Amino acid sequence: NAGVTQTPKFRILKIGQSMTLQCAQDMNHNYMYWYRQDPGMGLKLIYYSVGAGITDKGEVPNGYNVSRSTTEDFPLRLELAAPSQTSVYFCASTGSDSYEQYFGPGTRLTVT
Amino acid sequence: AQKITQTQPGMFVQEKEAVTLDCTYDTSDPSYGLFWYKQPSSGEMIFLIYQGSYDQQNATEGRYSLNFQKARKSANLVISASQLGDSAMYFCAMRERSNDYKLSFGAGTTVTVRA
Repeated sequence: NAGVTQTPKFRILKIGQSMTLQCAQDMNHNYMYWYRQDPGMGLKLIYYSVGAGITDKGEVPNGYNVSRSTTEDFPLRLELAAPSQTSVYFCASTGSDSYEQYFGPGTRLTVT
Repeated sequence: AQKITQTQPGMFVQEKEAVTLDCTYDTSDPSYGLFWYKQPSSGEMIFLIYQGSYDQQNATEGRYSLNFQKARKSANLVISASQLGDSAMYFCAMRERSNDYKLSFGAGTTVTVRA
């Protein structure tokens, strides 16, 4: 099993550009999450989904959008990138019958 | 209000000694889980140990043990026999059943193991 995969691993964006961070899991998990981690800090929840077609905001949703058209995929869209969005982004998933939250390897994004 | 508090920004420990990382939490949900993750300098999040709120015994996983004191709302991680490879950032996290299993993270504690 691949677990949780994220692409790209690294990306540099110019201010105002847009991009989509991809996340996929092959464990048939209902719950998927996007977190961001600023330098020296803990993770903060951006958006999450409890199943295909259902998404909801987390703690820091401004400047982001998500969709969940399938169980496997949960892309995160950044519109009009800003320097404040420079961070490491982690996608994670868990099943309702599992306690462990599985994390992807992260995407390091720099906005200049 | 902060759900997870880690008060130790950084700690040094001698190789082969034990170290305790503090974590306190705040919840009114009777069903919750507590996690510890390790984040080495390479950046990935590594799951270490889990404690459920209804678990009667403290969780253990190899050299990791969780000192769960429910009445005090604390979930300290104990790493025994520290190794150089234990040098990393450690995060305490909580999920609540009433909160769609989202994880709330503490600010983390950096552990440096000295030879």
